[in-house]
Parts: sequence; C-alpha cells; structure tokens
Amino acid sequence: DAGVIQSPRHEVTEMGQEVTLRCKPISGHDYLFWYRQTMMRGLELLIYFNNNVPIDDSGMPEDRFSAKMPNASFSTLKIQPSEPRDSAVYFCASRLTDTQYFGPGTRLTVL
Amino acid sequence: AQRVTQPEKLLSVFKGAPVELKCNYSYSGSPELFWYVQYSRQRLQLLLRHISRESIKGFTADLNKGETSFHLKKPFAQEEDSAMYYCALSRGSTLGRLYFGRGTQLTVWP
Repeated sequence: DAGVIQSPRHEVTEMGQEVTLRCKPISGHDYLFWYRQTMMRGLELLIYFNNNVPIDDSGMPEDRFSAKMPNASFSTLKIQPSEPRDSAVYFCASRLTDTQYFGPGTRLTVL
Repeated sequence: AQRVTQPEKLLSVFKGAPVELKCNYSYSGSPELFWYVQYSRQRLQLLLRHISRESIKGFTADLNKGETSFHLKKPFAQEEDSAMYYCALSRGSTLGRLYFGRGTQLTVWP
C-alpha cells in the first residue's frame, strides 16, 4: 500500500497564478483532511471531508482557497490567485478509525 | 473550545539524557490524546495514543486529567529521536478532526 499520495511534491509558481494540489487517500478511508504547515503557525487544518462531503471548512483562509472531493479516491485543493504568503507545505491525510495517515506533502513556493 | 498547547518550540538534549515534551490541553469533555512525529524528510505519523497506554520506541505518555496534560517522556534519548513532535486532541466520540499543537522540534545531540 503506497499510503496517501500527493502531487506534485514541489510546486514553484508566480504570484497570481492558479495552483492545484492533488491527493489520493488510502482506499476505504472515509475521512480526508487538508492541512497547511508553516514555521510561524505550525500545522493548521484547512478543511476536511467525510464520505466526500465537506464537513468543516472554517480553516480555509480566504475565498482564494477551495477544495473538492469528487469521489472517494481523489481530492484537490486549489489556490487562485496565489500569493507569496501561501508558501507552505500542504499535507493531505485520510482516516478510517482514529488514526490519521498523512501524505508526504506538497511544498509550495509562491514567488 | 478545545486547545492544545506545546510550550516549547525547540528542545535539545544530549544522547542518553531523559527527555520530556510538554503538552497541555483545554477541553471540557473527555478527550482522546495523541502524539504524532515527523522525522526529517518523512511524513507525519502516529507515535502513540493515550487509549492504548503503550510504549513506542521507548516513549510513553500519560493522560493527567487533573493537570490537563499529556506529556511525552523517554528515559534515555537517542539521536534518531530527533524530529518534530505534535500533540493532538480528539473530542472523544466525535472523532471528526484532530486539534494539533504547534509542535516541538526535538534535537538529540551525540
């Protein structure tokens, strides 16, 4: 089992561009979480889904951020337009019981 | 509201010394507490959960409801323990999400 898969692993873009991060959860897991990690703020929950339905998006910083989960095996986090302060590592995690399994993260740099 | 506090952002000890990473929480219900660890260049992973009352890699953590703490301890630190450690809280039956502390970066010197 490859675990939670995220792509791309690294993304460098210019301010104003659209960025799409992708996540494939572990098969059978019914919860999916998107986190952002920065030195200043640590690990922040952005949004999470249960059975593909968004449950809590209160952590999404602004309208520039959006997330979708069209099916049980795929989710996207989109930033449009991107800004330098969005530079961070973005993690996806999935869960079936009480243990969250994290992906390797996407390191986003916005110039 | 629930909150997890890790007061130390950085912690350094020498190999063989005891180590304690502090975690305090605030929650009026019955929480479930976890420690997650992130080794260099690896993904975040579960280290231990208070329900299991287990010892993983020599680490233990006891939930102290009176002091609302869940400190992580190891009697003899090893260099390979160097990592970022996150304490996390779940609101018991409504497992939905975890509430993470800001993390403590542990460095074990040789």
